[in-house]
Amino acid sequence: RKEVEQDPGPFNVPEGATVAFNCTYSNSASQSFFWYRQDCRKEPKLLMSVYSSGNEDGRFTAQLNRASQYISLLIRDSKLSDSATYLCVSPWGGSQGNLIFGKGTKLSVKP
Amino acid sequence: DAGITQSPRHKVTETGTPVTLRCHQTENHRYMYWYRQDPGHGLRLIHYSYGVKDTDKGEVSDGYSVSRSKTEDFLLTLESATSSQTSVYFCAISEYRTGTGGSGELFFGEGSRLTVL
Repeated sequence: RKEVEQDPGPFNVPEGATVAFNCTYSNSASQSFFWYRQDCRKEPKLLMSVYSSGNEDGRFTAQLNRASQYISLLIRDSKLSDSATYLCVSPWGGSQGNLIFGKGTKLSVKP
Repeated sequence: DAGITQSPRHKVTETGTPVTLRCHQTENHRYMYWYRQDPGHGLRLIHYSYGVKDTDKGEVSDGYSVSRSKTEDFLLTLESATSSQTSVYFCAISEYRTGTGGSGELFFGEGSRLTVL
């Protein structure tokens, strides 16, 4: 089974801090990756897609390191509203193809 | 937000009883999925559908069956519920195929919390 590994945290950071999560994957054939955000007792929602080297969206930057098979998510200037669990997602091979979800990294931003 | 409705949202049942969870979408997306989410595990795919009457097994399909007779509805059935099937079940939809070479964007329903006593 293809795996996606994440540090479960929790990461407890003050407002305004910069925090980074890493995620390692085992499917070397994967071309794209995704970060989902899941609030407590809510459904996951797509945060960012990561193709080739990386992607940036406001305070969020996702980077891909194919040589070491990991992706990272960097959050700058953390807000209280960033508190959530962040799920790393990798495609999984097969005739139809599906997604493998990591167990998630919990972030708690404190005032 | 994508139009996905799961029902029931909460259910408590007893071991050995059949349970059906329903997922209804108004987006006309081709692909539909059932996942379960448990502490200590990531979201795990149970079954998915790539069209009406076209379904396939996911990673944890034992003890579950599905049906899709209409584009908008995807049913998950536990023929004889067991305590190990206590979980939060999420339905998801996607417009495009996911996986290697495909899209990664899934839209999830709000989840159905099932407790099997």
